[in-house]
Amino acid sequence: GAVVSQHPSWVICKSGTSVKIECRSLDFQATTMFWYRQFPKQSLMLMATSNEGSKATYEQGVEKDKFLINHASLTLSTLTVTSAHPEDSSFYICSARAAGGGLGETQYFGPGTRLLVL
Amino acid sequence: GENVEQHPSTLSVQEGDSAVIKCTYSDSASNYFPWYKQELGKRPQLIIDIRSNVGEKKDQRIAVTLNKTAKHFSLHITETQPEDSAVYFCAASLTGTASKLTFGTGTRLQVTL
Repeated sequence: GAVVSQHPSWVICKSGTSVKIECRSLDFQATTMFWYRQFPKQSLMLMATSNEGSKATYEQGVEKDKFLINHASLTLSTLTVTSAHPEDSSFYICSARAAGGGLGETQYFGPGTRLLVL
Repeated sequence: GENVEQHPSTLSVQEGDSAVIKCTYSDSASNYFPWYKQELGKRPQLIIDIRSNVGEKKDQRIAVTLNKTAKHFSLHITETQPEDSAVYFCAASLTGTASKLTFGTGTRLQVTL
């Protein structure tokens, strides 16, 4: 149980285009989803916290108009990187936390999306 | 906000030896401390976690200890095996719906034959 999927796993795009990444909790309901960015050989940096049905909370320094987050249901959150530029190239990982019950506080991570902006 | 420091950044041990990774946190209110293992190019996987009402927790070859007074916690891996080679991240948070994890900088563990 507690499986999180992410799509796509890889994306290459031209500078200036927008990219949408989906994060789904497959076998549990997630009231809260988190979006992280990870550069090579570095730690996970939280970008934003996404609660179902409400606006996302962004970490300091993360542009909310550039990284659009939608959490429309208890099993789906999306991250859209708008007008992507080469410096946005990174590994984007989502995680989901269950809506109570036996899964507790644990965050379950998706497999990540590697974005390369040319 | 919370700040988590992790040491060492790299650790090389021989197969069968023990490995210890240490983390310190700054916010005394933090009460949930998970450890994640991340293999190259893959997702972080929870390997063990501990809450502040417990001082030690063990799961087979893996154990975590927590010292609330000193605000530090450690991961202990015994009888290391080559498949233990990965990057390990500690994290700290509050419990509750508003909580978010603050990660340490990671430790690259290499288990050599």
